[in-house]
Amino acid sequence: DAGVTQSPTHLIKTRGQHVTLRCSPISGHKSVSWYQQVLGQGPQFIFQYYEKEERGRGNFPDRFSARQFPNYSSELNVNALLLGDSALYLCASTNGWGQGAKRNTGELFFGEGSRLTVL
Amino acid sequence: KNEVEQSPQNLTAQEGEFITINCSYSVGISALHWLQQHPGGGIVSLFMLSSGKKKHGRLIATINIQEKHSSLHITASHPRDSAVYICAVRGFEAGSYQLTFGKGTKLSVIP
Repeated sequence: DAGVTQSPTHLIKTRGQHVTLRCSPISGHKSVSWYQQVLGQGPQFIFQYYEKEERGRGNFPDRFSARQFPNYSSELNVNALLLGDSALYLCASTNGWGQGAKRNTGELFFGEGSRLTVL
Repeated sequence: KNEVEQSPQNLTAQEGEFITINCSYSVGISALHWLQQHPGGGIVSLFMLSSGKKKHGRLIATINIQEKHSSLHITASHPRDSAVYICAVRGFEAGSYQLTFGKGTKLSVIP
């Protein structure tokens, strides 16, 4: 079975441009989370989606947006890119959500990341 | 907001040594994750802990909820263990993956 896949793996943009990053979760996983990792730092939470609804948002400006599609894949969009947006963007999937849903084992599966460089 | 601190930041060990990496956090949590990140960037989840101790091969993870502290141990370390080890904590909202991460511990194991 395929793991979490992200695309593109590397990309270079210039300030002010827009970028779209894509993530396909493990088959059967309905929850996708996005994280930003600046060089030398731990990751920071950006968004979580479950069943196409936003379930959590980190401390990021409105230039960052995301969505989840009916097949549970997800896109992260960043507008008006700044030099400080240069980072590794990680996507992770899990198999459920809290009470009332199929039991969430808590296991977290990450993709290889999309490395964004803003010049 | 939870503050997650890891120590040491960098660690160099000889092959075969026993290694301990520590993680402490400031606010009560529902679970703690230990993650491994190789130079290419991809992250692998090693453990998820809510209490007690877990073991997988040469890796052991423990957590003390009262002291807000967790440790990751590697027995008989090997050069392939060289990586960055990151701890991350989860709050109490069911199903939330709004994780707070430590900065990571860079481990180098020398043959």
